Amino acid sequence: GESVGLHLPTLSVQEGDNSIINCAYSNSASDYFIWYKQESGKGPQFIIDIRSNMDKRQGQRVTVLLNKTVKHLSLQIAATQPGDSAVYFCAERGEVTDKLIFGTGTRLQVFP
Amino acid sequence: SAVISQKPSRDICQRGTSLTIQCQVDSQVTMMFWYRQQPGQSLTLIATANQGSEATYESGFVIDKFPISRPNLTFSTLTVSNMSPEDSSIYLCSVAGVTDTQYFGPGTRLTVL
Repeated sequence: GESVGLHLPTLSVQEGDNSIINCAYSNSASDYFIWYKQESGKGPQFIIDIRSNMDKRQGQRVTVLLNKTVKHLSLQIAATQPGDSAVYFCAERGEVTDKLIFGTGTRLQVFP
Repeated sequence: SAVISQKPSRDICQRGTSLTIQCQVDSQVTMMFWYRQQPGQSLTLIATANQGSEATYESGFVIDKFPISRPNLTFSTLTVSNMSPEDSSIYLCSVAGVTDTQYFGPGTRLTVL
């Protein structure tokens, strides 16, 4: 398959460990945030979202934390598995628009 | 979530030609968008496809280069016109319904020689 994000920041974790992927967003007025996972040769896959009136949201094995004070978003993956290997993108949406602005992405590599 | 398909999945084209990419979704959606993802890069919004009217283009993208159609609530096309090697990218459509979440198609991988 085709490689996406050849020059992206890379996070390497051991299988079974927890992963934390960070994202700094740009617009203090953004009210909605999404994390996407993109595997090689595929389109971005929705993982989890959070609105600006929340600080934390949990899904299955994933947690998103939002710190509006410092405009920081993080994705925590519990018990990381080889299938979690991918490029992860955060995206923000402004208060009065439907458009998403994507971060630069982080490559997660899981080794045995 | 909606099931989104794109055609073609990939293509290799000669410079100066045009390619039309189709995006089909299995349910009616409110919003449809077209993105470009250049090699090793993040996603950049090209335009919002509006049903029955002209698309809304982002800065740096123009209708003459990227004409877009959206004849109904489930289908849209993006044409990459007069292609050059710099147009080699992954082109992605996304959709959003009554919720704010955008879901993406599998992408079209374009190589221009």
